[in-house]
Amino acid sequence: NAGVTQTPKFRVLKTGQSMTLLCAQDMNHEYMYWYRQDPGMGLRLIHYSVGEGTTAKGEVPDGYNVSRLKKQNFLLGLESAAPSQTSVYFCASSGLNLAALPVTQYFGPGTRLTVL
Amino acid sequence: GQQLNQSPQSMFIQEGEDVSMNCTSSSIFNTWLWYKQDPGEGPVLLIALYKAGELTSNGRLTAQFGITRKDSFLNISASIPSDVGIYFCAGQRPLIYGGSQGNLIFGKGTKLSVKP
Repeated sequence: NAGVTQTPKFRVLKTGQSMTLLCAQDMNHEYMYWYRQDPGMGLRLIHYSVGEGTTAKGEVPDGYNVSRLKKQNFLLGLESAAPSQTSVYFCASSGLNLAALPVTQYFGPGTRLTVL
Repeated sequence: GQQLNQSPQSMFIQEGEDVSMNCTSSSIFNTWLWYKQDPGEGPVLLIALYKAGELTSNGRLTAQFGITRKDSFLNISASIPSDVGIYFCAGQRPLIYGGSQGNLIFGKGTKLSVKP
């Protein structure tokens, strides 16, 4: 049981390049999330998904796209990377309680992205 | 946007000291969570609180969900060197107050360091 995993761990991009970050969870969780973490800013929600085939915008969605084609995977895409997207990206997932409400979130180890 | 005010921003500890930190908001929350993040890692859940007034312990850690539902505190007793790291509070707003189901709002963190 690996929990939440993220690939890659590190990446350096040039401005304008594209890339996809992969998040996978093996806990059969319904909800998945992508956050970015910047110094002094805490964690800010980019996009989230409440189930396979669904996605929704979070607090800072501009410049990012996501897809949830399989329940266990949540992909974060940058179509045209900008230096402002230099950050550490975390994926998280949460299951549902008996009332079908999401419970606590479990985080992956993060991806450190630098855009030059 | 919605904010959680977490304090202090940073603190230095000496082994054996008790530590206290808190989170406050002008808004009501129905869930409070406390996470710890070590360098290069994702946040790890320490304590989850689901009811106003709830007091929960996890080893040397104790957290409380404020009665007004607008605050929470975390105490660490008899600190040890491995307690250093960044501690985040996170809250989930009730749907009827505009919260998005499952989404958390994070404080900016309290950084714990060892006194030189």
